[in-house]
Amino acid sequence: GQQVMQIPQYQHVQEGEDFTTYCNSSTTLSNIQWYKQRPGGHPVFLIQLVKSGEVKKQKRLTFQFGEAKKNSSLHITATQTTDVGTYFCAGTNSGGSNYKLTFGKGTLLTVNP
Amino acid sequence: KAGVTQTPRYLIKTRGQQVTLSCSPISGHRSVSWYQQTPGQGLQFLFEYFSETQRNKGNFPGRFSGRQFSNSRSEMNVSTLELGDSALYLCASSLVLDSRIYNEQFFGPGTRLTVL
Repeated sequence: GQQVMQIPQYQHVQEGEDFTTYCNSSTTLSNIQWYKQRPGGHPVFLIQLVKSGEVKKQKRLTFQFGEAKKNSSLHITATQTTDVGTYFCAGTNSGGSNYKLTFGKGTLLTVNP
Repeated sequence: KAGVTQTPRYLIKTRGQQVTLSCSPISGHRSVSWYQQTPGQGLQFLFEYFSETQRNKGNFPGRFSGRQFSNSRSEMNVSTLELGDSALYLCASSLVLDSRIYNEQFFGPGTRLTVL
């Protein structure tokens, strides 16, 4: 079945440093979503990418969807302590059922002030 | 608009018992998905319902079941509980605009299930 791999599993940075998490799918995706889960909280939707090669920005966050629609990345510029949490990518298999999101295992980001 | 609500928030059960968890989606959302979250396995998809029909199911044993009511509220049931069922169970609702695109999931706070 579809697998979504996410790396790294953990990332610790100093405040002000940049951070990137990568997501790779074993199959072509129709779309990919990114979520953030704060410690003790629930996942909160950040963004959805649909088009091949798409790049979207939200303030210090930049999201990319690969040309082959099999990989994606989230880059945070100049991290802040408010960025702490686990970042998940989630993809829907292209050509298959559109009713199932497969989540990566997430990247836990910690920021040292 | 009220968010997704889940009840109960915490539950302690013993092995062999069964449990029913409830989820009320955001008003107007007809798609409800359930996920199991554990530290080792991350977020794993259980099933998704739309208009009272289960449209997809994850790779979980038949002990895990669910249903959706006409008002879009959903329940999931786990029978014959095992220690490994201890997890955070998350429900998420979604507004279905285009069946080709899986839309933004709005998650509830979850039910923390502990099996002793």
